[in-house]
Amino acid sequence: AQSVAQPEDQVNVAEGNPLTVKCTYSVSGNPYLFWYVQYPNRGLQFLLKYITGDNLVKGSYGFEAEFNKSQTSFHLKKPSALVSDSALYFCAVRDRTNAGKSTFGDGTTLTVKP
Amino acid sequence: DGGITQSPKYLFRKEGQNVTLSCEQNLNHDAMYWYRQDPGQGLRLIYYSQIVNDFQKGDIAEGYSVSREKKESFPLTVTSAQKNPTAFYLCASSGRSETNEQFFGPGTRLTVL
Repeated sequence: AQSVAQPEDQVNVAEGNPLTVKCTYSVSGNPYLFWYVQYPNRGLQFLLKYITGDNLVKGSYGFEAEFNKSQTSFHLKKPSALVSDSALYFCAVRDRTNAGKSTFGDGTTLTVKP
Repeated sequence: DGGITQSPKYLFRKEGQNVTLSCEQNLNHDAMYWYRQDPGQGLRLIYYSQIVNDFQKGDIAEGYSVSREKKESFPLTVTSAQKNPTAFYLCASSGRSETNEQFFGPGTRLTVL
């Protein structure tokens, strides 16, 4: 079975500071990892994904994430946070052995204060 | 514009009534999904379909039913057997490969009175 953990329900940062939203995963095969963002009362938007290759992946709105196989982690990062980054962030995992199903974490609410 | 539409945005129903949520996509995606979102519980998979006329149960399928008669459409019926149907429902689609990201609709908020 595959699973995703987002250990922090909430992350608070000041505008201009770096931010990190944590994600760890468990799969039986090679992981395909995704980050999505949800603004209030809306659907999720794709941010970035890791499939293979370079462990550092870059995505939309200046976000990046680092895949760490030994620590089974895929933390989302941004060098300088904006107030407009405030939203709910979800990490998700898929693998080939699970018929294409995605498993999502419980989400982390990011609040960026001016 | 390509995308996924869900209707209605808000839906109110009396307890014991079945209700059908609409999901349409014009992205030419093979796979479609239904998720339920409750506060603090993330997204839970209800049903998914990887091809027309075929679908599989997700993690919380009890009390729900779906059909996939057309590639573009994947309606979800919330039946009276669903014990706690009040929630935010999200539809998504993607290419069939596991490497493809999902595209989400705007969601339907169902309230059962």
